[in-house]
Amino acid sequence: GQQLNQSPQSMFIQEGEDVSMNCTSSSIFNTWLWYKQDPGEGPVLLIALYKAGELTSNGRLTAQFGITRKDSFLNISASIPSDVGIYFCAGLNTDKLIFGTGTRLQVFP
Amino acid sequence: DADVTQTPRNRITKTGKRIMLECSQTKGHDRMYWYRQDPGLGLRLIYYSFDVKDINKGEISDGYSVSRQAQAKFSLSLESAIPNQTALYFCATSDSNRNYGYTFGSGTRLTVV
Repeated sequence: GQQLNQSPQSMFIQEGEDVSMNCTSSSIFNTWLWYKQDPGEGPVLLIALYKAGELTSNGRLTAQFGITRKDSFLNISASIPSDVGIYFCAGLNTDKLIFGTGTRLQVFP
Repeated sequence: DADVTQTPRNRITKTGKRIMLECSQTKGHDRMYWYRQDPGLGLRLIYYSFDVKDINKGEISDGYSVSRQAQAKFSLSLESAIPNQTALYFCATSDSNRNYGYTFGSGTRLTVV
């Protein structure tokens, strides 16, 4: 099946630092989505990207839809403790979401 | 009340038992999904349904079955639970008329001993 590879697998950063993570695929997607999962909860949508090359921001979060349509990037600026969680990318092709393996983020004060 | 409600939140069951996980939604979405989450593997699709009479297998459907009893309800069954089905299970919904991603429930943590 289709695979989405996320990197890094985990990150341990200090509060205030910027964070970058990415997602790559062997297949083309028409839509890229980024989700965050807090401990004990289901994933919640952060950003949706609909066009190749698109750059979209949501507060301190910025995500980009890669030109090749096979990758996407998420940046978090000036991290805070509540940014802790697992971040998932997901590609939407026709009618199903395929999820990446996740990046676990830990933020230390 | 949550838009997507999963019951139970936690369940411990014995090997060989039949178990059903329930999902109900108040969003009015036509599409519903069951995912399984394992550490380091992300979320993998088990089954999905685009309408009440529509059932489709995902990438890891073996050992599972589903029932879409109504537009708002989608249940997942493990006919004979085995330990490697120990995982976090999520139900999700989406609207076929809007390309805004899925809404997830809070998950069911299932342990098979």
